[in-house]
Amino acid sequence: DQQVKQNSPSLSVQEGRISILNCDYTNSMFDYFLWYKKYPAEGPTFLISISSIKDKNEDGRFTVFLNKSAKHLSLHIVPSQPGDSAVYFCAASATSGTYKYIFGTGTRLKVLA
Amino acid sequence: GAVVSQHPSRVICKSGTSVKIECRSLDFQATTMFWYRQFPKKSLMLMATSNEGSKATYEQGVEKDKFLINHASLTLSTLTVTSAHPEDSSFYICSARDPTRGGFYNEQFFGPGTRLTVL
Repeated sequence: DQQVKQNSPSLSVQEGRISILNCDYTNSMFDYFLWYKKYPAEGPTFLISISSIKDKNEDGRFTVFLNKSAKHLSLHIVPSQPGDSAVYFCAASATSGTYKYIFGTGTRLKVLA
Repeated sequence: GAVVSQHPSRVICKSGTSVKIECRSLDFQATTMFWYRQFPKKSLMLMATSNEGSKATYEQGVEKDKFLINHASLTLSTLTVTSAHPEDSSFYICSARDPTRGGFYNEQFFGPGTRLTVL
């Protein structure tokens, strides 16, 4: 049972345009969400997170939006740069527990120069 | 700050042997560490939660006798793959939680991963 899903396995975007990566979850107990960037054969790198008490969090070019009623979050990258090309994972956690993260299936982003 | 290392980065072993992977938090004390496994082009699957000084908590479907986890100190957790077989070949990643980073919402800091190939 995949509790966190990223339905787009890949996405291509032109440099300078906006990249929008989506993530859906099923467990209503999740109340903390994160986005990670990952290159092959490397560990994930933290990008941005959001608590369920917010619906938006922004950090530079990265903005995460959370729609609790739809159990959906998205990561916006604007403007997209070729260096953003990587696999992006969303992760979810429930505060009433063990701090463990459940990762989505990943979306491979390719930013075209 | 918040650096996590893994050793070795790559290991090749023969079927039936055991392999130990180390995960270290270099500049903080990690009361909790996590072990993940990633198959090619797949998600990171949580294998177990490792708490310092106590037994690890394994996720459903993960064989605790096959994947031995020891968290003997606040900066070191080890994962031993016992009697490894080719199907155990994977990318193993650890993460560590720094409890001093304020509040509940502490990001996990990930190691660079270990590529295990079992021949």
